[in-house]
Amino acid sequence: NAGVTQTPKFQVLKTGQSMTLQCAQDMNHEYMSWYRQDPGMGLRLIHYSVGAGITDQGEVPNGYNVSRSTTEDFPLRLLSAAPSQTSVYFCASTLTAGLADPYEQYFGPGTRLTVT
Amino acid sequence: KQEVTQIPAALSVPEGENLVLNCSFTDSAIYNLQWFRQDPGKGLTSLLLIQSSQREQTSGRLNASLDKSSGRSTLYIAASQPGDSATYLCAVFNQAGTALIFGKGTTLSVSS
Repeated sequence: NAGVTQTPKFQVLKTGQSMTLQCAQDMNHEYMSWYRQDPGMGLRLIHYSVGAGITDQGEVPNGYNVSRSTTEDFPLRLLSAAPSQTSVYFCASTLTAGLADPYEQYFGPGTRLTVT
Repeated sequence: KQEVTQIPAALSVPEGENLVLNCSFTDSAIYNLQWFRQDPGKGLTSLLLIQSSQREQTSGRLNASLDKSSGRSTLYIAASQPGDSATYLCAVFNQAGTALIFGKGTTLSVSS
């Protein structure tokens, strides 16, 4: 298994440009999520999905869109990039969400995004 | 709102020392907690997952404990090695089990 993969690894955007960060997993995990990591702020949840066709907002969703058309893929879209979106973005997945039988969350290697 | 705090923010020790990293959380009704390791410029690697009904988990030289009544978890690293140098993150699951709430981490440096 490749686990959780993310592309690109690095990206530089100008303010106002749009782009899509790709995330894929090959573990047949139902649950996928996106976090951003900023110095002094820790990791914060942007959006998550509990299965194909189902998404919901996390703590910091503004400026980001997601969709989940397949179990494997969970892309994150920036419609109009802003300097405040400069960050490291991590995608994560786990077999299923829920507290009764928790599973470990697995993280991808991250995408470093700079918006100028 | 659940908040997770990790102390100290940074720690430097000589090789061979046993050490403890601390994690505290404000809502003692947590369900599960996960410890991660992050190397510079890399993603997160899961170390241990502790269910709320458990008191501790062990993996090799690592032992994590959970005390819900005091709102604390500790990660014990035995016989530290330079390869243990990394940032260690503590995270608790939210009530719905849909997200992790992270602390800001403890950056560990082990010198040879």
